[in-house]
Amino acid sequence: GAVVSQHPSRVICKSGTSVKIECRSLDFQATTMFWYRQFPKKSLMLMATSNEGSKATYEQGVEKDKFLINHASLTLSTLTVTSAHPEDSSFYICSAPTGQSGNTIYFGEGSWLTVV
Amino acid sequence: GESVGLHLPTLSVQEGDNSIINCAYSNSASDYFIWYKQESGKGPQFIIDIRSNMDKRQGQRVTVLLNKTVKHLSLQIAATQPGDSAVYFCAENTGRRALTFGSGTRLQVQP
Repeated sequence: GAVVSQHPSRVICKSGTSVKIECRSLDFQATTMFWYRQFPKKSLMLMATSNEGSKATYEQGVEKDKFLINHASLTLSTLTVTSAHPEDSSFYICSAPTGQSGNTIYFGEGSWLTVV
Repeated sequence: GESVGLHLPTLSVQEGDNSIINCAYSNSASDYFIWYKQESGKGPQFIIDIRSNMDKRQGQRVTVLLNKTVKHLSLQIAATQPGDSAVYFCAENTGRRALTFGSGTRLQVQP
């Protein structure tokens, strides 16, 4: 079964509204989680690193005020797309490392966001 | 800049044949490499990994080869099955656990 759960798997929202995507680690704690974005037929691009108990670290070019990340607990990170626009429509995927060296990295099933 | 890339965007093979998917990387600091399989509309699924102190690792029907001299990574799938049809990504880890993904290769298995 899945060890990293994302919700919702699909969401449609209107332009200007905000939408929250949850990423949960199951059966293990994750002090760090990663958020990726993937456009159709493209590769995954790292957006930000979510850190439990501290601010997220954003990659260059990613607007932190638009993509709000909150690592509320050791098993939950949320990504909120604020004031969504059609160009924000994409596949958002989270991952969480585990294991002794943190090199076992599990991915969620992804969340399809469509902004209309 | 440094990047991870793939030689072939699409690979078509016959069921039962062996498949080889290649990947080039240029970040010499990368010490850990992973192959993922992604089916349409789903998140990446771990296939196999290899550390930089190894040059070969085998799993069930899959083998990963690492050639550090030419910075080349390959995934070999034995007896390819229709269920293997997907997009395959190589990814590298420079130590901070956030992965850098290659551009992906679509594997199409013909029955």
